[in-house]
Amino acid sequence: DAGVIQSPRHEVTEMGQEVTLRCKPISGHNSLFWYRQTMMRGLELLIYFNNNVPIDDSGMPEDRFSAKMPNASFSTLKIQPSEPRDSAVYFCASSRRTVDTQYFGPGTRLTVL
Amino acid sequence: KQEVTQIPAALSVPEGENLVLNCSFTDSAIYNLQWFRQDPGKGLTSLLLIQSSQREQTSGRLNASLDKSSGRSTLYIAASQPGDSATYLCAVRPGDDKIIFGKGTRLHILP
Repeated sequence: DAGVIQSPRHEVTEMGQEVTLRCKPISGHNSLFWYRQTMMRGLELLIYFNNNVPIDDSGMPEDRFSAKMPNASFSTLKIQPSEPRDSAVYFCASSRRTVDTQYFGPGTRLTVL
Repeated sequence: KQEVTQIPAALSVPEGENLVLNCSFTDSAIYNLQWFRQDPGKGLTSLLLIQSSQREQTSGRLNASLDKSSGRSTLYIAASQPGDSATYLCAVRPGDDKIIFGKGTRLHILP
């Protein structure tokens, strides 16, 4: 298996622009997680899905952030409009069940100028 | 609210030495605890997972222990190698399915 796939790997954009991050989970995994990692705050869970349904989005910082999972093999995290404080590495992870070991993608490094 | 702390934030150790990384958590009511490794510019890789009913798990040169009553876990690395250099993160799963991560210990093995 190719593991969790994320795209793009790097994104540089200007403040106010829309940013879309993409994730393909491991086939057969029913749970998908979006995390954000910064030096100051460490790794934070933004939202997670189970069987394509959002279960907990309490970690989403504000309405500018939205996430979708239209099918079992694809998810997006969108930021609109983006701000410099959104600069971070965004990770997607998947697991067979919510309580099982999570497998992480390589991350998307986002820089908002 | 569950909090996970890893001290020290960074550690340098000569090659060949055994070492211990520490993790503490504030609420002992956990489902499981995991240790992850993160290499620079990469995602996280799960190393060991300890269920709440277990005391330890071993994988090769790695041994993780769990003491729920004291809110502590340790990751023991035997005979350290330069390839062990990475950031090691501890993560606790309370009963509500969300993992809570520590900020990690950045380990550097000196050749």
